[in-house]
Amino acid sequence: AQSVTQPDIHITVSEGASLELRCNYSYGATPYLFWYVQSPGQGLQLLLKYFSGDTLVQGIKGFEAEFKRSQSSFNLRKPSVHWSDAAEYFCAVATFGNEKLTFGTGTRLTIIP
Amino acid sequence: EAGVAQSPRYKIIEKRQSVAFWCNPISGHATLYWYQQILGQGPKLLIQFQNNGVVDDSQLPKDRFSAERLKGVDSTLKIQPAKLEDSAVYLCASSGRGRSDGYTFGSGTRLTVV
Repeated sequence: AQSVTQPDIHITVSEGASLELRCNYSYGATPYLFWYVQSPGQGLQLLLKYFSGDTLVQGIKGFEAEFKRSQSSFNLRKPSVHWSDAAEYFCAVATFGNEKLTFGTGTRLTIIP
Repeated sequence: EAGVAQSPRYKIIEKRQSVAFWCNPISGHATLYWYQQILGQGPKLLIQFQNNGVVDDSQLPKDRFSAERLKGVDSTLKIQPAKLEDSAVYLCASSGRGRSDGYTFGSGTRLTVV
């Protein structure tokens, strides 16, 4: 069965600094990978997704992620964070056949001035 | 297009009471999911419907949780009787053709059991 690990429970970054959130997955074949963001009291908003092709994918709000098969990773990056980026970030994987999303435990991002 | 609609937004009940949540997916989406998100954790799939049939309910506590999707459109998730550990946000999501289409989530229902 597929699984997702987000090793960082909480990350604090200064506004304007760069950001990288880590995500590792476990699955035998090429997975479909997603990053979602959740603001307090809100549902999940899709930032970006990877299915195949170019391993560097661009998303909304200036986010990008890179798929590295050799490392089973799909890390999320942003060159310069804004205070509005403070939220919970979830990495998720979907696999062929069951078409369901399996989520990691999330990383809470705090932005300091 | 309209998003995934869920109601109510918040619900507070006492343990052993019953509660129901409603979800209306994006029009035309065949697949509907219910997730449970306990505070500090990632969402966990409870049940997956394809049209009005159940695809996966392996994580649904069937002694107290039930769900239906009549006519393959909107869906209801029920808990009876509720326990303290059921306090969570219940998220509904829908998808047109599964992972290739992506998944759209509703705003969720926050349940507090006291």
